[in-house]
Amino acid sequence: DSGVTQTPKHLITATGQRVTLRCSPRSGDLSVYWYQQSLDQGLQFLIHYYNGEERAKGNILERFSAQQFPDLHSELNLSSLELGDSALYFCASSVSGLAAQSSYNEQFFGPGTRLTVL
Amino acid sequence: AQTVTQSQPEMSVQEAETVTLSCTYDTSESDYYLFWYKQPPSRQMILVIRQEAYKQQNATENRFSVNFQKAAKSFSLKISDSQLGDAAMYFCAYRSASQGGSEKLVFGKGTKLTVNP
Repeated sequence: DSGVTQTPKHLITATGQRVTLRCSPRSGDLSVYWYQQSLDQGLQFLIHYYNGEERAKGNILERFSAQQFPDLHSELNLSSLELGDSALYFCASSVSGLAAQSSYNEQFFGPGTRLTVL
Repeated sequence: AQTVTQSQPEMSVQEAETVTLSCTYDTSESDYYLFWYKQPPSRQMILVIRQEAYKQQNATENRFSVNFQKAAKSFSLKISDSQLGDAAMYFCAYRSASQGGSEKLVFGKGTKLTVNP
């Protein structure tokens, strides 16, 4: 158990719908990262939040948005869903969002949310 | 942009034998970290081993070791005394360590390892 929790575990919805994925980081971790794992694209970085502020964006679609709340939990919102959005969505957390830190600043992954769009 | 390539989509090994998974990467940065993650059928991402680019000594964690060749931009994973529980997808990943650099992990496509009894 990494200490990162994600809800729900599974989500089945229809095209055109909107869903919200939730992530609670490990206690003390300030950074939250979202990744998408699909058969086509592999594991791809979506977005990084550090202490409530957006730090970096990856290949995140405009239909997707995220935020990190004062209690440090994060939500990933996916709207106007398409079949191709079906994937496993991971949240990861780490202590810091500072790349210059000398430590590995390991990212701990949650169990993921499996999204199926029908 | 950094890229990570795993040229072996699938590998197999006999229990108790040794197997090496390949990974190459492309970057213009001099300071970075490299990782191997394991993803068993449960889908949980588990960190296996990590390497700092400025360290010449290859990292070792029990039965797992790496062969880090910075000039060749190669980072292979060796699993010794393979066990049935080692069967999983293995992902090589890169992360910048540069000041102001992104904290994101860049992953390869993965290698599916099968361990035969």
